[in-house]
Amino acid sequence: QSVLTQPPSASGTPGQRVTISCSGSGSNIGSNSVNWYQQLPGTAPKLLIYSNNQRPSGVPDRFSGSKSGTSASLAISGPQSEDEADYSCAAWDDSLNGPVFGGGTKLTVL
Amino acid sequence: QVQLQESGPGLVKPSETLSLTCTVSGGSINSYYWSWIRQPPGKGLEWIRYMYYTGTTNSNPSLKSRVSMSIDTSKNQFSLKLSSVTAADTAVYYCASGYDSLFQYWGQGVLVTVSS
Repeated sequence: QSVLTQPPSASGTPGQRVTISCSGSGSNIGSNSVNWYQQLPGTAPKLLIYSNNQRPSGVPDRFSGSKSGTSASLAISGPQSEDEADYSCAAWDDSLNGPVFGGGTKLTVL
Repeated sequence: QVQLQESGPGLVKPSETLSLTCTVSGGSINSYYWSWIRQPPGKGLEWIRYMYYTGTTNSNPSLKSRVSMSIDTSKNQFSLKLSSVTAADTAVYYCASGYDSLFQYWGQGVLVTVSS
């Protein structure tokens, strides 16, 4: 059971905007930044979004992040077939004194 | 560009100790925090432990009593030991660099199966 809660799956067409939610609590998302990771099949996670809404160099601008209160969201505007992957959120937890992750959301591009 | 590579046995017997090493290239181990993270098959990521080269360290409370971690600055490597393993410890184990929940560099991961 992951500390952060994500839906197990999400889907969309290249013409749609897909959002993936991440729900936490006051000790993690409520008081710390959220980071998002993309995990292509059979590969290691890759940092996708950091500090709630910042994209590392090389990440397409169709990916965006936001945070409000104890929840965060990852949005993909016009998902491409190469975006089919698992997406996980993460945040520092002040109670655990360590990072916590969501269970991951599998994105399917229709 | 920092690169990380895990190494260690892929099969460990129940009750024994799992030992993994992460070799760092393209950067000094005297920078960044270093972490171990695992992912059981079909499940989410779980943080195990982090360490800074000065020795500052912290563990996931659920694993703290069984985990140890060390850094060898002369070899640019860091290691993980997890004792008294059970089938529940079967997972892909990743080494990663970063602190807080921001992990910029990851190893490719190594699947460790606990089975007799």
